[in-house]
Amino acid sequence: SQQGEEDPQALSIQEGENATMNCSYKTSINNLQWYRQNSGRGLVHLILIRSNEREKHSGRLRVTLDTSKKSSSLLITASRAADTASYFCATDVSGGYNKLIFGAGTRLAVHP
Amino acid sequence: DADVTQTPRNRITKTGKRIMLECSQTKGHDRMYWYRQDPGLGLRLIYYSFDVKDINKGEISDGYSVSRQAQAKFSLSLESAIPNQTALYFCATSGLAETQYFGPGTRLLVL
Repeated sequence: SQQGEEDPQALSIQEGENATMNCSYKTSINNLQWYRQNSGRGLVHLILIRSNEREKHSGRLRVTLDTSKKSSSLLITASRAADTASYFCATDVSGGYNKLIFGAGTRLAVHP
Repeated sequence: DADVTQTPRNRITKTGKRIMLECSQTKGHDRMYWYRQDPGLGLRLIYYSFDVKDINKGEISDGYSVSRQAQAKFSLSLESAIPNQTALYFCATSGLAETQYFGPGTRLLVL
């Protein structure tokens, strides 16, 4: 079974709006990572948040982590059509050995 | 040039055939991974290797084998391909920074 589950499965918004995706997981983690995948292509790392961190920012991305609720959220502010992609959370449960377990992803469509 | 390359990019094969997917990296990373992706699902780990002498099974290793020929090369073999192995296969690498770098993927169709 998959460790991470993203919510929603699909999200459709207009350019300029914010997009929020959520990830829930089941077991204790070392870190949680978010990746982006353009249609059928390889995944690209976006941001990593460690289990002792609560919030991180990178450009228009903001990630939060609540270990008590075993959940994370990815916020993309002022979205652009180029942000259209699938977004995956991945959890490292291997004590730092970087063995990741991926969720099923959220498909984001940003309309001009 | 891409840091992580996969060959072939697309492959059509028949049930029962043995095929090999290859992955090469120029990032100098010790850790390499093979994943498969099915429609509507995330990536599932097939095998991973932390160095040339260390190879480990992942979540779904049945029907697959791997070879770590060198630090830079990690191959995935399907000994006797079956239709439910039709999927998108990704190779990835990582160093101490924990970020994984993915190749462009191999689209495999087993008839």
